[in-house]
Amino acid sequence: QITLKESGPTLVEPTQTLTLTCTLSGFSLRTSGVGVGWIRQPPGKAPEWLALIYWDDDKRYSPSLKTRLTITKDTSKNQVVLRMTNMDPADTATYYCEGTVAGSQKRYWGQGTLVTVSS
Amino acid sequence: DIQMTQSPSSVSASVGDRVTITCRASQTISNYLHWYQQRPGKAPKLLIYGASTLESGVPSRFSGSGSGTDFTLIINSLQPEDFATYFCHQSFTAPNTFGQGTRLEIK
Repeated sequence: QITLKESGPTLVEPTQTLTLTCTLSGFSLRTSGVGVGWIRQPPGKAPEWLALIYWDDDKRYSPSLKTRLTITKDTSKNQVVLRMTNMDPADTATYYCEGTVAGSQKRYWGQGTLVTVSS
Repeated sequence: DIQMTQSPSSVSASVGDRVTITCRASQTISNYLHWYQQRPGKAPKLLIYGASTLESGVPSRFSGSGSGTDFTLIINSLQPEDFATYFCHQSFTAPNTFGQGTRLEIK
């Protein structure tokens, strides 16, 4: 059974850097074709795609947030980490990680983690 | 970026009705289109992936169709638990993009 679980701070102060971790279960970052990304959803708004990393370390970023985002993977821990710098109250949202495997378009989402940006 | 135009933004319907939600991509996305249902305070739930493949455990009253730029989600015989918000999502290319959502309300 494939699951993803997000972890990280629930409250971040403006200008700080947010670090979120996605822990995968039931599939491996070492497997060809695996991709894991991050999506966020501000309260009452549509989801917004942020970044994606593949098993071969290929990376993609949202053009509008690219200068603030870094996505990395730790294959030994089967985790994907997202860093977002210079946090602002407008970045308050539920952050989800999403996974895909080779040969299928099925999407696997975590339960999400709410991050509030406030002083 | 590929723009996803979803319509309607909201719809009122009754239990037993049939509802159609559409999503149009600004350029072709083959069948890399997925539909989600979201209830308040919950994570989006995958209903349909690859434009027409029903996710395991999702009732058969949900169906998806389309390819290229035009896609449709149909909900037959609405049930009380179907009143929620629905989003489309393209994964054809990065950045992935989402529709703005359709809020399905009880008439």
